[in-house]
Amino acid sequence: DGGITQSPKYLFRKEGQNVTLSCEQNLNHDAMYWYRQDPGQGLRLIYYSQIVNDFQKGDIAEGYSVSREKKESFPLTVTSAQKNPTAFYLCASSAWLLAGVGEQYFGPGTRLTVT
Amino acid sequence: GENVEQHPSTLSVQEGDSAVIKCTYSDSASNYFPWYKQELGKGPQLIIDIRSNVGEKKDQRIAVTLNKTAKHFSLHITETQPEDSAVYFCAASDEGKDDKIIFGKGTRLHILP
Repeated sequence: DGGITQSPKYLFRKEGQNVTLSCEQNLNHDAMYWYRQDPGQGLRLIYYSQIVNDFQKGDIAEGYSVSREKKESFPLTVTSAQKNPTAFYLCASSAWLLAGVGEQYFGPGTRLTVT
Repeated sequence: GENVEQHPSTLSVQEGDSAVIKCTYSDSASNYFPWYKQELGKGPQLIIDIRSNVGEKKDQRIAVTLNKTAKHFSLHITETQPEDSAVYFCAASDEGKDDKIIFGKGTRLHILP
């Protein structure tokens, strides 16, 4: 089965702790993305990566960090510097097309609650 | 940068009627406009997309129209069914620039029995 997996589905952390969200894809896609979804806010881009060992900040990167050591994996760390970390986090990937972006395939998401 | 506005935020239609969701974009360089459907507790899924070299695209009960001059595009769902109830997102991208897609804030569609 090809697709994107995110784990865990629900995650609870205490304030002040860093937490890492997992994202793995077996679609052989070059590009991967992290979005944050809040009620009424749509999807906001946190970080994205077009190739291994390279990534760019999105619109709301402050308080987050990523790595892209393998093509299949793009973990997101929510640091204690993120002021409002409770949210639904979505990972996506897309194939590199000559024309550009193409369809993004989304994982099932991780709901992070920080108290 | 690109900004995508989406209306309405909530839409209720009687089963069997049509639903229309409208979006506007700000960057005239945008040339790729996908629509995603998100069911409860799941990630969004692409349902239809259109590129700026065409004005309309149809796939069974769903269609998308694009007006480049006015910088707006719309999703039309005909003969709505209960399984159409979901949140729908429009998005825009400049495919020649980078791999970023800018999403609208979403429309929650309720199909009434």
